This record gives sequence, C-alpha cells and structure tokens, in this order.
Amino acid sequence: AQSVSQHNHHVILSEAASLELGCNYSYGGTVNLFWYVQYPGQHLQLLLKYFSGDPLVKGIKGFEAEFIKSKFSFNLRKPSVQWSDTAEYFCAVTAGNSGAGSYQLTFGKGTKLSVIP
Amino acid sequence: EPEVTQTPSHQVTQMGQEVILRCVPISNHLYFYWYRQILGQKVEFLVSFYNNEISEKSEIFDDQFSVERPDGSNFTLKIRSTKLEDSAMYFCASSDLGLAEETQYFGPGTRLLVL
Repeated sequence: AQSVSQHNHHVILSEAASLELGCNYSYGGTVNLFWYVQYPGQHLQLLLKYFSGDPLVKGIKGFEAEFIKSKFSFNLRKPSVQWSDTAEYFCAVTAGNSGAGSYQLTFGKGTKLSVIP
Repeated sequence: EPEVTQTPSHQVTQMGQEVILRCVPISNHLYFYWYRQILGQKVEFLVSFYNNEISEKSEIFDDQFSVERPDGSNFTLKIRSTKLEDSAMYFCASSDLGLAEETQYFGPGTRLLVL
C-alpha cells in the first residue's frame, strides 16, 4: 500500500519569502501525485497534479511542484508567498493507471502555512 | 463552477445514536467517495461508490458504516451506532470518469462530534 509523508507540520514565513514544502511517497509502481490546499473555512481544492510528462508542473496561484522519481518526492514550491497563501497544504497520491475505476487518494498529514504580512 | 455540497456542516450526537451525513456530488460525476479526518491526523479514505455499488472500502469502513445513493443527486454516509472515536471531519468527494489521474472534488465537510 502507498503512503505519503510531509516533512513540516507548521511553516511560518514572511510575505515575499520563498516556499518549499516537502512531500515523499512510498509505492513501487505508477503513481499520480496531487497537492490540495484548504484555505481557512473552505473545502479542499486542487492546486496541481502530476501524472505523466514534464516532471515540473505548474498550478494555480503561482505554485509549482517537481516530481523526482529517484527520490520519491513531489515538493511544492512558490518563489514569493503572499498573506493569502495562509492555508493547510496536503500532498496526496493515487496508485496505478489501469483505466477507469475508483482510485483512493492517500494523503499526507498536511502542512499548515502561516504567512505574516 | 459546480461544487460538492455537504449537510449538515456540524453534527453533535450521543454515543450509540445513528447519524446520516449527506452529500450532493457534482451533477455529471459518476464516482463518489467518503474520507474522514480525525483531529490532528491524516485524511483517510473510507469508501468509494460507483454504479450504485461500493467499489472499494478501507478497514475503517466496518459494518457500522453504510453508503447509499437514494436518489439521483444525494450520496449519504450512515453510521449506525456511533462511537466516541467516530468524531472527525467527514469529507465527500466526487470525480467524473474515475481515472487515477483525475481530480477528486471535495465538499466542505461535516464535523461530527460524538459525546
């Protein structure tokens, strides 16, 4: 079974600082990787995802993530954070790609990001 | 933009009582999911549902849990006899084609507190 680890529980940054949130997964086969964000009082929404092609994926609001297969990592980055990026960030994975089916997301524990104006 | 909705937003119940959590998935989606997050822990998969049947369920989803799509729009999670450890945030999600790389769209969650 797959598992996901997020290294940081709570990250505090000043506005304009650069952000990198770590995510590692363990699974021997094909994976699809996701970053979800939950803003205060809102539902989980997709930031970006990787399933094939260019390992550097760009998402909404200036976020990007790089899939490094040899390191089993999918770290999230943003060059300059804003106060509005304050949220909880979840890395998640589905395993496999064998057509239509119900693929459960396996989540990391989440990283709370607080951006200080 | 279409959204997944969930009701109620909060539910407080006594141990041993039955609760039903409701979800309205995005209208053209075919695959439905329930997840839960106990405070301070990971979001965990409970069950997936397609074509009026359970597709997959986790070890958490024991005989106390059931899911149903009673009509064309609602998707419900029932807990027959709640336990203290069922206190959690319950999220419903839906997806269109059920592909592994597909985005699952989440509702805002129902916070369940069992006393």
